[in-house]
Amino acid sequence: EAVLTQSPGTLSLSPGERATLSCRASQSISSNYLAWYQQKPGQAPRVLIYSASSRAPDTPDRFSGSGSGTDFTLTISRLEPEDFAVYYCQQYASAPPSVTFGGGTKVEI
Amino acid sequence: EVQLVESGGGLVQPGGSLRLSCAASGFTFSSYWMHWVRQAPGKGLVWVSHIKTDGSNPIYADSVKGRFTISRDNAKNTLYLQMNSLRAEDTAVYYCVRGRVNLWTPPSYYYYMDVWGEGATVTVSS
Repeated sequence: EAVLTQSPGTLSLSPGERATLSCRASQSISSNYLAWYQQKPGQAPRVLIYSASSRAPDTPDRFSGSGSGTDFTLTISRLEPEDFAVYYCQQYASAPPSVTFGGGTKVEI
Repeated sequence: EVQLVESGGGLVQPGGSLRLSCAASGFTFSSYWMHWVRQAPGKGLVWVSHIKTDGSNPIYADSVKGRFTISRDNAKNTLYLQMNSLRAEDTAVYYCVRGRVNLWTPPSYYYYMDVWGEGATVTVSS
C-alpha cells in the first residue's frame, strides 16, 4: 500500500503569489487515480483535481495538477484570498484495493 | 440539489457500538459508489471504507477491518456505517462521500470523491 507524503507541511505565502504543493508516493501509482482536495476550516473537503491533472467542475483554472509515477504537484498560479486552506492528495490502488490520503499541506497567509 | 446528510453520531463508551446513516438526495444514489471518510480533531483525512453500487465487495481501511461494516439500501437512498468495538482513536467527524469511479473503460480512468456531506461527530470516551 502506497504511503503519500505531502510537503511542505505549511506554506506561508501572500495573495498573488504562486503555490507549489508536492505529493510523493512511496511506490509508483497510477496517475489516473490521484486526486487533490481543498478543505477550509469548519467545512467538508471538496475535490479540485482528479486523474492527476483534470480539473473538477467549478475548479478555477488557476489550479493545475501534474505528475506521474511517484511525484505529483498541485500548483496554484496566483493565490486568491479564498485559496488559503488545507490541501490533500488521495490515491486509489487496485491490487489489493486501498485508498489513502496524504497528510495535507496548509497554505497560510 | 445534490445532498448527503449524515446522522447517528454521538458519544459512546469504549467497546460500544454506533450506526451512522447517510441520506442521499438529488441524484441517482444506486448509480454511485459511496465512501466513509473520517477526520480526527485537528488531524487529516482518513479513508474508512467504500461500497460499490450494488453493495458488493466493500473494502475497509486496516484500522477498522473486522469492526466496521458499510452497507447501503438503494431503495431508501441511504448509506450506513455500523461501528462496533469502538475505541478512543475512532473519535472523529465521519463524512459520507459520493464516489466517481471508472476502473474499466479506457482511456479515461478515474477514482475520486466529488460530493461530501457535512459530517457526523463520533466521540468515544468513558
